[in-house]
Amino acid sequence: NAGVMQNPRHLVRRRGQEARLRCSPMKGHSHVYWYRQLPEEGLKFMVYLQKENIIDESGMPKERFSAEFPKEGPSILRIQQVVRGDSAAYFCATARDRLTGELFFGEGSRLTVL
Amino acid sequence: QQPVQSPQAVILREGEDAVINCSSSKALYSVHWYRQKHGEAPVFLMILLKGGEQKGHEKISASFNEKKQQSSLYLTASQLSYSGTYFCGTERGDNYGQNFVFGPGTRLSVLP
Repeated sequence: NAGVMQNPRHLVRRRGQEARLRCSPMKGHSHVYWYRQLPEEGLKFMVYLQKENIIDESGMPKERFSAEFPKEGPSILRIQQVVRGDSAAYFCATARDRLTGELFFGEGSRLTVL
Repeated sequence: QQPVQSPQAVILREGEDAVINCSSSKALYSVHWYRQKHGEAPVFLMILLKGGEQKGHEKISASFNEKKQQSSLYLTASQLSYSGTYFCGTERGDNYGQNFVFGPGTRLSVLP
């Protein structure tokens, strides 16, 4: 049973470009959480999705950031017109059950904005 | 809404014990504990679902006091492999807010 797959693992973008980060949950997992982590800091909640629905996006900036989890395919975190401050590691975590299940983390996507 | 963790950092010698605390101002349904090593993804340690529940994992155990909205992680006879940053994650016990948030982390360094 494959774990949570994130790609790309490393992404370099210039200011103003778009970044697309993908997260494929473990089999049977329909809950996806995205977190952002700056070096030496904690995991900051961004958005929680459950198949085709955004349940809570209270941690996501109102502009330039969007997330989706379509019926088929991976969850995608999209950052438009990236700025240097977007440089960070972005982790997705998935779960089978929201209230009782552990979160399984992907290896993260490390975005560097030049 | 983010839980509070203490201490921020702790340095131990191999074989010593440590306690990491996690508290919230909101009623909690569950508390999770994760460990993250430098440059890696967080790894699940344990989940506590009921007030007063205690769970163990090798020499790492945890308790959850639902009334006080607190959880503590106990590391006994620490090993070098215990080094890393420990995060507690909490899920609210009310219907407000669906997200799952983590504390700021406690950095544990175990020295030989």
